[in-house]
Amino acid sequence: EPEVTQTPSHQVTQMGQEVILRCVPISNHLYFYWYRQILGQKVEFLVSFYNNEISEKSEIFDDQFSVERPDGSNFTLKIRSTKLEDSAMYFCASSRDSPNQPQHFGDGTRLSIL
Amino acid sequence: GEDVEQSLFLSVREGDSSVINCTYTDSSSTYLYWYKQEPGAGLQLLTYIFSNMDMKQDQRLTVLLNKKDKHLSLRIADTQTGDSAIYFCAEITDQTGANNLFFGTGTRLTVIP
Repeated sequence: EPEVTQTPSHQVTQMGQEVILRCVPISNHLYFYWYRQILGQKVEFLVSFYNNEISEKSEIFDDQFSVERPDGSNFTLKIRSTKLEDSAMYFCASSRDSPNQPQHFGDGTRLSIL
Repeated sequence: GEDVEQSLFLSVREGDSSVINCTYTDSSSTYLYWYKQEPGAGLQLLTYIFSNMDMKQDQRLTVLLNKKDKHLSLRIADTQTGDSAIYFCAEITDQTGANNLFFGTGTRLTVIP
């Protein structure tokens, strides 16, 4: 069964550094998402992406964050200048042809900011 | 805003049924989902129900939706040790332009052999 893949599985970065988290959504899916889960807290929505542009973003997704679909398969999340509080598990998800279709998640990237 | 609540822990004996409960506040919820997270793994979609349905059954899983009380439950029949995981309830609303999931806190299910 097709799945969403994320790399790396664990990223350790110094505070203030830029980090790029990578995702390959399911190939025939058109909607892409990023969520994060701070340890011990709920999974929180960051951003959704459709037709090569952001369709919705949360208050968490400030100017330090950006997303990109650089080619036909990858979907990336960039954090420009990381802060300690960015340490979390970041999940990528995709859904088929409407936002009401089930969202399928990757295994996540654990981001640790030192 | 949307709020989705779950109890944090549930322990059951192997072979018994598990019932994981969820309450939500948004009356415009359209779809409600159950995801499973095993240790160190991502969120695996288990099942989902459209808001105009009362029940959905899929093998050992039964989802019940009480839209009046905004209450969703997941019943796992004949619970196995492999069912030990965190189970997340999530909803998506009918608000224009909204297409993100709102998650509950997750219920950690422990199956005792």
